[in-house]
Amino acid sequence: QVQLVESGGGVVQPGRSLRLSCAASGFTFSNYGMHWVRQAPGKGLEWVAVISHDESNKYYPDSVKGRFTISRDNSKNTLYLQMNSLRPEDTAVYYCAKRGALFDFDYWGQGTLVTVSS
Amino acid sequence: QSALTQPASVSGSPGQSITISCTGISSDVGGYNYVSWYQQHPGKAPKLLIYDVINRPSGVSNRFSGSKSGNTASLTISGLQAEDEADYYCSSYTSSSTQYVFGTGTKVTVL
Repeated sequence: QVQLVESGGGVVQPGRSLRLSCAASGFTFSNYGMHWVRQAPGKGLEWVAVISHDESNKYYPDSVKGRFTISRDNSKNTLYLQMNSLRPEDTAVYYCAKRGALFDFDYWGQGTLVTVSS
Repeated sequence: QSALTQPASVSGSPGQSITISCTGISSDVGGYNYVSWYQQHPGKAPKLLIYDVINRPSGVSNRFSGSKSGNTASLTISGLQAEDEADYYCSSYTSSSTQYVFGTGTKVTVL
């Protein structure tokens, strides 16, 4: 069965960096685009980044563009999110999600909490 | 890109049907058949219920159904059950630079 396990969250000061990882299993990772989606405490979902199966295409919303970088290692079945210049408003649970049919998210990890605070 | 608009809360009694709306604009919900719906129980990850407006993944109950008219998509839950009490989010592809946009979320309460 599909499993996505995020790690790397924690407490970080504003302006610092953090890298999240998402270990995938139960499907052919190299065949699928992958996403990061976040959810601030008590708030709704916000899409953060997407990467194509071969890393050739990457897209971000304006809120993180230039600060966050999505990447993947298909040999390790692992997705990454490098987050730089972190702000308090980046505080959220970060989920990795597998691309579904086309523009949906068919499997999600359990999430990892990132807290940006001094 | 603003979030899609959903009612903050919807409630119903067991066995009833309820409908959650998701309103966007012509560059997202109205322009593409790429609306999906997610269920999220407290402290849990979202779960895909509907994709491409009307399609249900295998394993999702047929009590969940989706539709769309103009700029508004809808999720209907029929035969409401206690386990359906959760938050529900819609999502759509958008031709704006954001690419993906979520709804504001709806809390469903089973009375």
